Amino acid sequence: DAGVIQSPRHEVTEMGQEVTLRCKPISGHDYLFWYRQTMMRGLELLIYFNNNVPIDDSGMPEDRFSAKMPNASFSTLKIQPSEPRDSAVYFCASSSGTKGRNEQFFGPGTRLTVL
Amino acid sequence: AQTVTQSQPEMSVQEAETVTLSCTYDTSESDYYLFWYKQPPSRQMILVIRQEAYKQQNATENRFSVNFQKAAKSFSLKISDSQLGDAAMYFCAYQIYDGGSNYKLTFGKGTLLTVNP
Repeated sequence: DAGVIQSPRHEVTEMGQEVTLRCKPISGHDYLFWYRQTMMRGLELLIYFNNNVPIDDSGMPEDRFSAKMPNASFSTLKIQPSEPRDSAVYFCASSSGTKGRNEQFFGPGTRLTVL
Repeated sequence: AQTVTQSQPEMSVQEAETVTLSCTYDTSESDYYLFWYKQPPSRQMILVIRQEAYKQQNATENRFSVNFQKAAKSFSLKISDSQLGDAAMYFCAYQIYDGGSNYKLTFGKGTLLTVNP
C-alpha cells in the first residue's frame, strides 16, 4: 500500500488567503484524523472521522477551520481566511477500527507558512 | 482528561549503547493502548512500538522494548545497540478504546534523541 498521501507537502500563502490541504487515507481504513504540530503546542488532534462522518471536532481552533470527507478515499482541511498563527505542520492519519489493529498511520505532513 | 508526560526534553546516547526514554500518563481507564512514535528530521511520524494495557508482557520490536508499569502508569522505551538512524524526536502516546468511536491519541511533548558516533 502507498500509505497515507498528503498534498501539498509545502504551502506558502499570504494572510487572508484560503488554504486547502488534502489527504488520501490507506485503503480500507475507516478512521481519518487531522493533527496540527507546532513547537509551542506539540501535536494536537483537530478532528476525526469514522466512515466519512465527523465524530469529534472539538480540537478545531475556530470557525476559520473546516474539514470534509466526501468519500472513503479523500478528505480536505480548509482554512479561510488564513492567519500567520496558522503556520504549522498539518498531519493526516488513518487507522482501522478493528480492536488490536488500531494504530494510526501518518502521512508525511503539509508544512504551512502563512506570511 | 488524559495527559501524557515526557520529562526528558532531550537525551543523548553513544552509538551502540543503550538509552531509555521515560513516559508517564494519567488515566482512570483500565483498557487503553500506549504507543511510541518516532519523528526523524524528515518529519514523518513512524510507529515504533505499541502496548495493550491488558497485556502484562512488555512489547518488543527488535532493538526496541518497553517497560510497562500499569500501576505506576509508566511506559518507558529502551533502545538497545543505538544506531545513528535512531536520532529523532520520540513521542509517547496514549489511546483509549471504548469499543465505540473514541479513538483519540493524546501525545506527550516529545524527547529529542541525539546519537553520537
